[in-house]
Amino acid sequence: SAVISQKPSRDICQRGTSLTIQCQVDSQVTMMFWYRQQPGQSLTLIATANQGSEATYESGFVIDKFPISRPNLTFSTLTVSNMSPEDSSIYLCSVEEWGTSGSYEQYFGPGTRLTVT
Amino acid sequence: DAKTTQPPSMDCAEGRAANLPCNHSTISGNEYVYWYRQIHSQGPQYIIHGLKNNETNEMASLIITEDRKSSTLILPHATLRDTAVYYCIVRVGTDSSYKLIFGSGTRLLVRP
Repeated sequence: SAVISQKPSRDICQRGTSLTIQCQVDSQVTMMFWYRQQPGQSLTLIATANQGSEATYESGFVIDKFPISRPNLTFSTLTVSNMSPEDSSIYLCSVEEWGTSGSYEQYFGPGTRLTVT
Repeated sequence: DAKTTQPPSMDCAEGRAANLPCNHSTISGNEYVYWYRQIHSQGPQYIIHGLKNNETNEMASLIITEDRKSSTLILPHATLRDTAVYYCIVRVGTDSSYKLIFGSGTRLLVRP
C-alpha cells in the first residue's frame, strides 16, 4: 500500500494566521482527499484533489478558507486560512490505490494535529 | 450526512470473536459498504469492503444482509491490538468520482 507522510505532524497557531499542510506519497496517485477530524468526532471530507484539475469541495467548505494545491501525482497541500479556535482539528490526507482486495482502496496519512489559540 | 448508524461502544474478551453491527437502511444499490478502523493518534486503516456478497480477508469477515440495510464486521479472534474505533462507511458515487461518508464509529475495547 502507499506510504503517506504529512508535515507538520502537529502545530499550535495563533488565530488569524494561516497554516499549510503538506502531504507526500511514495507512489503516483490520481485521486487525493483531504479530511478533517474535529476533537472526539468522526472524519469529514473537505475536498477531493485530482492532479490537473481544480479541487472539488464538499458542502460547508470553501476554497478561500481551505485552498488546495495538487502540483503533481505525489504531492498536495492544504492551507487552513485565517484560523480560529474552531479550526482546531486533525487534518488527514488520503490517496486512492488499487488494493489487494481487487478494487480501489483509500489509504490515510498519519494526520496533522492543529491547535489554534 | 452520515448514512450509517453504529453503537458508540462495545467490548469483548481477548481471543473471542468481536461482532460489530452497522445499519445503513438508506443505502443505494450501487453503494459499497466499507470498514476502517482508527487506532489512537493514527490515520484510519482499511479493513474490508463489500457490495452484496459476504467478504472475508486476513483481517476480518463482512456479513451483509440480503436487503443490504445492515452489515456486521466480524473479527474472529480479537486481540488487545484490535482495540480501536471502527467506522462503517458508505461509498457514494462512481469509481471515477466518489467519496467515503464516515459514520460516528464504534469504540471497541478488547479486554484481557
